[in-house]
Amino acid sequence: DAGVIQSPRHEVTEMGQEVTLRCKPISGHDYLFWYRQTMMRGLELLIYFNNNVPIDDSGMPEDRFSAKMPNASFSTLKIQPSEPRDSAVYFCASSPRQGYHYGYTFGSGTRLTVV
Amino acid sequence: AQKITQTQPGMFVQEKEAVTLDCTYDTSDPSYGLFWYKQPSSGEMIFLIYQGSYDQQNATEGRYSLNFQKARKSANLVISASQLGDSAMYFCAMREHSGNQFYFGTGTSLTVIP
Repeated sequence: DAGVIQSPRHEVTEMGQEVTLRCKPISGHDYLFWYRQTMMRGLELLIYFNNNVPIDDSGMPEDRFSAKMPNASFSTLKIQPSEPRDSAVYFCASSPRQGYHYGYTFGSGTRLTVV
Repeated sequence: AQKITQTQPGMFVQEKEAVTLDCTYDTSDPSYGLFWYKQPSSGEMIFLIYQGSYDQQNATEGRYSLNFQKARKSANLVISASQLGDSAMYFCAMREHSGNQFYFGTGTSLTVIP
């Protein structure tokens, strides 16, 4: 299995521009999570999906952030408009199913820099 | 209250020595899993080891072992025979049976000194 695939690996954009991050989870995994990592706040859960349905988006910072999962093999996280404070590493992770003994498999992350 | 606490922001260890990274957790769920992840400077998150709340024995994976003390709610990671490639951030995480998300600690930065 190719693992969780994220694109792009790096993104540099200007303030005010729209940014779209992409994720392909492991086939057969029912859960998909989006995390943001910064030095100040560590790893923050933004949103997660179960069988393509958003379950908890309470971590999404504000209306500028949106996430979709149109099918089991693809999810996007969109920031519009982007701001410098959105600069972070964004991770996508997937998990097979509910249960405390199932771990996450992380993608390689997208390092976003907003200038 | 923090679900996962890692009190060591940074640790140093001599190459070939063993090192223990501390992790304490807080949960009222009797069923939970504890995980350790490694994040090298390249940025990816690598799964290291898992311990279930009902497991009687401490988990081991090669040079990694988990010192699980349920009554103390601690799940310390022990790395034996440290190597230069072990220099990285290490995150402790927990997943409860009653929920879906992981709770992560703030991480410990380990530096292995030649």
